[in-house]
Amino acid sequence: DQQVKQNSPSLSVQEGRISILNCDYTNSMFDYFLWYKKYPAEGPTFLISISSIKDKNEDGRFTVFLNKSAKHLSLHIVPSQPGDSAVYFCAASARGQGFSFIFGKGTRLLVKP
Amino acid sequence: DAGITQSPRYKITETGRQVTLMCHQTWSHSYMFWYRQDLGHGLRLIYYSAAADITDKGEVPDGYVVSRSKTENFPLTLESATRSQTSVYFCASSVYWGQSSYEQYFGPGTRLTVT
Repeated sequence: DQQVKQNSPSLSVQEGRISILNCDYTNSMFDYFLWYKKYPAEGPTFLISISSIKDKNEDGRFTVFLNKSAKHLSLHIVPSQPGDSAVYFCAASARGQGFSFIFGKGTRLLVKP
Repeated sequence: DAGITQSPRYKITETGRQVTLMCHQTWSHSYMFWYRQDLGHGLRLIYYSAAADITDKGEVPDGYVVSRSKTENFPLTLESATRSQTSVYFCASSVYWGQSSYEQYFGPGTRLTVT
């Protein structure tokens, strides 16, 4: 049973517009969430994280929102750039239950010029 | 070079052979991880290590063995490779700051094909 779900396998956005990537989770013990970006033939790179004590975290063009009651988080990229085209993974961790992450299957974002 | 490296980057082996994938990091991070990435599954944790000589199973440990005699190295061994272990393997390391934020740094990956 998938504990972290990214239900949209792909997303296409025009350059300059907002990209919104979604992630749902089922385990209420998850208290730390991260987003990673992955280019082909490279390892994932960390983008942004959020702890369950917050509902929003911003870093430049990237903002992550957490809705604990809905068990939902989203990554907003504003404005989107062609270099943002990559696969984005959502990951969740229950820090009190050991130190490991559960990853979603990823969403492929294409930003069109 | 500083960072996290994996070797080999590409490997083709036969069913039943033993294969070891190497991972080396220069940051002295205490935590290290092995993941596999397969189509339709995303990244799945195989094993992780909190420090030298401390390892623990992840989501998909069967058929894999790890060791960590030194902080900087975390090899992953497939004792008898099977076709289902054809995958891209990623090593990662992390510093854990307790309740503060932490993140994982990933290596470039090893693409393993078992024929």
